[in-house]
Amino acid sequence: GDSVTQMEGPVTLSEEAFLTINCTYTATGYPSLFWYVQYPGEGLQLLLKATKADDKGSNKGFEATYRKETTSFHLEKGSVQVSDSAVYFCALQILTGGGNKLTFGTGTQLKVEL
Amino acid sequence: KAGVTQTPRYLIKTRGQQVTLSCSPISGHRSVSWYQQTPGQGLQFLFEYFSETQRNKGNFPGRFSGRQFSNSRSEMNVSTLELGDSALYLCASSSPPPQGPSSFNEQFFGPGTRLTVL
Repeated sequence: GDSVTQMEGPVTLSEEAFLTINCTYTATGYPSLFWYVQYPGEGLQLLLKATKADDKGSNKGFEATYRKETTSFHLEKGSVQVSDSAVYFCALQILTGGGNKLTFGTGTQLKVEL
Repeated sequence: KAGVTQTPRYLIKTRGQQVTLSCSPISGHRSVSWYQQTPGQGLQFLFEYFSETQRNKGNFPGRFSGRQFSNSRSEMNVSTLELGDSALYLCASSSPPPQGPSSFNEQFFGPGTRLTVL
């Protein structure tokens, strides 16, 4: 079946540090890939997406590139802020056949300190 | 445009009881999906409804059921609650995707209902 593996947390960084959260996937079809963010007490928000190989998704300084050859979609940000503290989820969705099922990784908690 | 709303936000039940959670999607959205979030299992897909029909189902026992009404509002029901059903239940809505090779359904999540089973 489909699955997503992402690095364990928590990840603790100082403000302005570089962030990488690793994400790899296995999929039975051709997936679209997503990063979602969850702030304390809130639901999930879509952070960025990529729908085909070599696409780069970007938003709010975060970037991730769809690497089909390594089945990866690592999240990066050059300079994190305290306000980036949240839980980050990598997810995939197979579009063929219809349906909106998202398969999520376990989430990585990010803590950014001053 | 109002976001996805879920009611109630918090719920406490005892083992053996049943519970019904409600989700109102964004206006115009016809698809509603439900997810269970727990510290041990993470985010798991429960089911999806589209135009009042269940279109997709995850690997949960039959105690978990849902339905969708003609106005796209959805409810999920859990019967004979167990301690392990304690979780944050999230719903997400989406509209039909645009056509094209890179089309996808962006899903918009509600804040969730926190269910505690004692």
